[in-house]
Parts: sequence; C-alpha cells; structure tokens
Amino acid sequence: DQQVKQNSPSLSVQEGRISILNCDYTNSMFDYFLWYKKYPAEGPTFLISISSIKDKNEDGRFTVFLNKSAKHLSLHIVPSQPGDSAVYFCAASYTGTASKLTFGTGTRLQVTL
Amino acid sequence: ETGVTQTPRHLVMGMTNKKSLKCEQHLGHNAMYWYKQSAKKPLELMFVYNFKEQTENNSVPSRFSPECPNSSHLFLHLHTLQPEDSALYLCASSQDRDRPLNTEAFFGQGTRLTVV
Repeated sequence: DQQVKQNSPSLSVQEGRISILNCDYTNSMFDYFLWYKKYPAEGPTFLISISSIKDKNEDGRFTVFLNKSAKHLSLHIVPSQPGDSAVYFCAASYTGTASKLTFGTGTRLQVTL
Repeated sequence: ETGVTQTPRHLVMGMTNKKSLKCEQHLGHNAMYWYKQSAKKPLELMFVYNFKEQTENNSVPSRFSPECPNSSHLFLHLHTLQPEDSALYLCASSQDRDRPLNTEAFFGQGTRLTVV
C-alpha cells in the first residue's frame, strides 16, 4: 500500500512557465514533507521541505504548498528553466522518525525551450 | 558533491558471489541509511543506523547484511542474491535530532547493481 503517491509520471513545461508537481499521501501521521530532485546517474538531492505547522514554504523559484485536510502537497517552480529537467520525488516522514522517509514514485519534469 | 560517497558506482555479480557496497559520509552526521530503488518503484528504506546501532530493518531478506563500524561508514554485504535484487542502492545520512525537529537526508550517488 503506497502511502505517498505521485500520480503523474511525467510533465512537460515550456521554459519560463510554471511547473506544478503534485503529491498525495494517506498516512495522517506524516508531519514533515520534502521534495528531492534527481538527475540521471546521481543520487537524489534535497530541494525544499515543509512542516505540517505551515501551509507554504518558499525558497527562490521553488514553493511548496501543503493542504493537510486534502493530504496533498505541491511543488511550484517558477519560472521553469531547462536545468530543472529531472525526476522529482516527494517524501514524507513523521516526528521522531528522523529521516526515515517514505517516497513517492517520482515525476519526470521536462522543461522545453 | 553531497558529502556522501558510495563505491562502487556499478557492480555486476553472479548469484553465487559475495560482494560489499561501501558508503562514507563526511558530514558529521549520526544516522545512516540504505535505500533501494527498483525500476518503476519508489525508493524503499532498507536499514537505519543511528549512532552505529541498527534501529530499523524493513523486513529485508538475510542475503542483505548491513554493517556500520562507525558513524561515518556503512556497508551492505551481499551474498546469494537473485536477479530481482538488481536495483540502484542508495546510501544516505542525516543528523538525527530530538523531536520535534526533522532534518533532510543527504544521498550518495548510488551503486547500480546487476545480478546475473
């Protein structure tokens, strides 16, 4: 039973436009959420996180939104750049479990010129 | 460069072989992890070590045997693997803090394992 779901395996966005990546979770104990970015032949790299006490966290071009009632989070990238083309993983954990992360299957983002 | 180094990057082994994956972190973290990524599946947590003590084993078969001699090094010993064990094995580390703070994990580049 997958507790973290990324229902879109791929997304294509034009350079300069907004990319929106979505993630849903089922475990209501999750209270810390992270986005990782992965290039081919590299390990995932941390991008941005959000605690359940917030509904938004922003870092430069990247913003994560959390809707706890819907058990949904999203990552917005604006403006999108070709270097953003990668696989994006949503992950979740709950307090006291440190970085024992439960991951989604990932969404491949392609930013086109 | 994330501060977590894994070797080898690629490994091909037969089902009767014994091999080991190595992970080293230079971040001063106190927790280390093994994750497995199979094709079209999410990353799955395999083992967790906190202050060199194994705190979690996620129902991993005994043909995978972890070893953590100190907080900076983590090994995954492999023996009599099956072709379905072919996957990307990722090591990660983090600074495990008291609640309620959580921290992100830093990942190595992974070892691409093929069992033939």
